[in-house]
Amino acid sequence: DAGITQSPRHKVTETGTPVTLRCHQTENHRYMYWYRQDPGHGLRLIHYSYGVKDTDKGEVSDGYSVSRSKTEDFLLTLESATSSQTSVYFCAIRDPGHSTGEQYFGPGTRLTVL
Amino acid sequence: GQNIDQPTEMTATEGAIVQINCTYQTSGFNGLFWYQQHAGEAPTFLSYNVLDGLEEKGRFSSFLSRSKGYSYLLLKELQMKDSASYLCAVLETDSWGKLQFGAGTQVVVTP
Repeated sequence: DAGITQSPRHKVTETGTPVTLRCHQTENHRYMYWYRQDPGHGLRLIHYSYGVKDTDKGEVSDGYSVSRSKTEDFLLTLESATSSQTSVYFCAIRDPGHSTGEQYFGPGTRLTVL
Repeated sequence: GQNIDQPTEMTATEGAIVQINCTYQTSGFNGLFWYQQHAGEAPTFLSYNVLDGLEEKGRFSSFLSRSKGYSYLLLKELQMKDSASYLCAVLETDSWGKLQFGAGTQVVVTP
């Protein structure tokens, strides 16, 4: 299994508070991604990174920011959490040099915003 | 953008075969992935198709027709542990490896 962890695994917070989720990899993969998963919508891309300090927006980036200061860490921040951001968040990594280039997913973070 | 459709749920009996269809309408296409996701867990990679035809991997096979915008995942000799959600995902044509996912198909295997 790819070495990818997420922290925290569960979090309950209140509307208006800032929240930071961490994704950590030990595979030295260049590409990292943040998704959210909600019933009926599948996985939707929030932000992605193609290198240290290189990030870009995905399909549902409003209300989220990211940072990548080291290859191994990709942080997702909700500046002011809202109830609509209650979701399961998955981080993924990808090695573009791999033959099929599939993404490997972390275990997920379940976030509840009250 | 992409529009990716797959059935919401399918039920099949242990030992049977189930075929999960995925249709896509895309502005670009660079391959199609299938992932398996058990409840409460992360998605795990099953298969990748970039050329037309069938890819077989044990009990699982995946088919792609690029001209029809169509793929299917075939699960043979179903086992109870195959009860999971199966996600179809299209690889976008930019160089960042971004995936566009369908909503997933929940497969329920009954005894």
